[in-house]
Parts: sequence; structure tokens; C-alpha cells
Amino acid sequence: AQSVTQLGSHVSVSEGALVLLRCNYSSSVPPYLFWYVQYPNQGLQLLLKYTSAATLVKGINGFEAEFKKSETSFHLTKPSAHMSDAAEYFCAVTVGYGGSQGNLIFGKGTKLSVKP
Amino acid sequence: NAGVTQTPKFRVLKTGQSMTLLCAQDMNHEYMYWYRQDPGMGLRLIHYSVGEGTTAKGEVPDGYNVSRLKKQNFLLGLESAAPSQTSVYFCASSYQGVIGYTFGSGTRLTVV
Repeated sequence: AQSVTQLGSHVSVSEGALVLLRCNYSSSVPPYLFWYVQYPNQGLQLLLKYTSAATLVKGINGFEAEFKKSETSFHLTKPSAHMSDAAEYFCAVTVGYGGSQGNLIFGKGTKLSVKP
Repeated sequence: NAGVTQTPKFRVLKTGQSMTLLCAQDMNHEYMYWYRQDPGMGLRLIHYSVGEGTTAKGEVPDGYNVSRLKKQNFLLGLESAAPSQTSVYFCASSYQGVIGYTFGSGTRLTVV
């Protein structure tokens, strides 16, 4: 079975600093990986996804993530944090399409705070 | 173009009461899901459906039932609510498995 581990339940950065949110996955077959963002009292919005094409994936709002098979990682980065980036971020994994294999398994989330 | 609509948005139940949460999508998606979100636990799958008339258990199905009588609707039922079911419930839909989940805005349920 696949799983996701997000390192750090809370991350705090200064405005303009690098954002790095860590995600490691476990999967016996090639995974599909996702990052979602949740703003307070809202639903989840897809930031970006890796579906076995390019290993460096660019998403919305200046975020990107790199799939590293050797490290089983899919860390999320943004070069310069903005106050509006303050939210909770979820990494998710699945191994395929259809039926239970298509179900997303979520990490426990990382809350990002951005200091002025 | 409403996407995924959840009703109600908020609800307070007494222990032992029953209720149904409704999820409606207008994107003609085959797959629908119910998740619960608890602090520090991420999202956990309760039940899912891969098409009209089908349902299956997810990671935490106990205490919940679901029905998918119509393709556009996925209902989540609590027959006898317990305080442990206090949570935020999210519905999602997708065309084909992982090709883009669309989430609803959530239902905040408190069981007292």
C-alpha cells in the first residue's frame, strides 16, 4: 500500500524567503503525486501534479515540485514567499487510475506561516 | 459551472441523531469520494463510488453509509451520530480516478 509522509506539521518563513515543504512517499509501483493547498475555511485546490512526465513540475502561484525517485521525495518549493501563501498544504499519492487504485492518499498536512 | 456543491455547510447534531450530507456535481464525473478532515490527520477516505449505483469502503467507513442513486449525487449518511464524528467532511469528484479531483467547500459537523 502506498503512503505519504509530510515532514513538519508547521513551517514558518519570512516574506520573500524560500519556501520548502517536504513530502516523502512510499509505493511499490510508480506513483502519481499531487500537492494541494487549503486556505482557511475553504476546500482543497490543486497546486500541481506529477503523472510520470517531466520530473520537475510547475504549478500555480509560482510553486514547483521535483519528483526524485531515488529519494522517494516530492518536495514543494517556491523561491519567494508571499503573505498570501499562508495556508495548509497537503501532499497526496496514488498508483493508478480506476477503482481503489485511483484513490488519493493524503499526508497529514503542513501549515505554512509567512511572517512580514 | 458550480463544480461540486455540498449541503449543508454547517450542522450541529446531538449524539444519536441521524443526518445525510449531500454532494452534487455538475461535471458528469464518474468517480465521487467522501473524505473527513481532522486536525493533524490530513484527509481520510470514508467511502467512494466509481459510478452510478456503486459504492465502496475507504479507510474509515465505520459509522457511515453512502448511496449513489444518481450519477451527479453522492450521499453520506450518519445513522447514529457520535462525538467522534465531529469533523469537516469533503466531497470530491473526478472524471477518471486521478485525472483531477474537484473538491467541494466542505461541511463542518459538530456532534454534541
